Amino acid sequence: RKEVEQDPGPFNVPEGATVAFNCTYSNSASQSFFWYRQDCRKEPKLLMSVYSSGNEDGRFTAQLNRASQYISLLIRDSKLSDSATYLCVVTYTGNQFYFGTGTSLTVIP
Amino acid sequence: GAVVSQHPSWVICKSGTSVKIECRSLDFQATTMFWYRQFPKQSLMLMATSNEGSKATYEQGVEKDKFLINHASLTLSTLTVTSAHPEDSSFYICSARAFAGGIGELFFGEGSRLTVL
Repeated sequence: RKEVEQDPGPFNVPEGATVAFNCTYSNSASQSFFWYRQDCRKEPKLLMSVYSSGNEDGRFTAQLNRASQYISLLIRDSKLSDSATYLCVVTYTGNQFYFGTGTSLTVIP
Repeated sequence: GAVVSQHPSWVICKSGTSVKIECRSLDFQATTMFWYRQFPKQSLMLMATSNEGSKATYEQGVEKDKFLINHASLTLSTLTVTSAHPEDSSFYICSARAFAGGIGELFFGEGSRLTVL
């Protein structure tokens, strides 16, 4: 079983729509959680960290469910510029980082 | 914020030659850096963990003699693809962890696109 699993998509949504991605992780000892965004042919960049209490940054909301071992990312009022691949990253102790395969999002005009 | 710089961004080489890619942490010290490879439309694959002053830790299936990693200082790690072949053509990305506010965010270099002819 993979350490981190994501639905690869693709998700094709109209502009203005709300879209949600989930990511499940297998190790209950996971410590930190992040969502990264990767544009085509570019390096991943941090979108937001995911806190236990959930957190929001503008149109983006991240939530963590430790009991069910998943994190989610909600994007409201989708913009064309949101089109990218969204990577779920989970860390354990020390320097163990695990990446999901990424979820591809295309926002359509 | 923390920045990781990678060089070169693009490299084209002939089959059989060696290519060196540099990864620098610009405003923080990184005792550990990570090297990834990403093929088109695939996820990032961790190749190795580069440890300052000691040998790199390679992931299963990655040839240590082919992908030489040197982490000579707290701000520089290098990946050398030796005797490159066309199948080594890929997007190579490095990253380093910087701690801010207690959360160890991972910062990525801009990536190096290698094409082996």
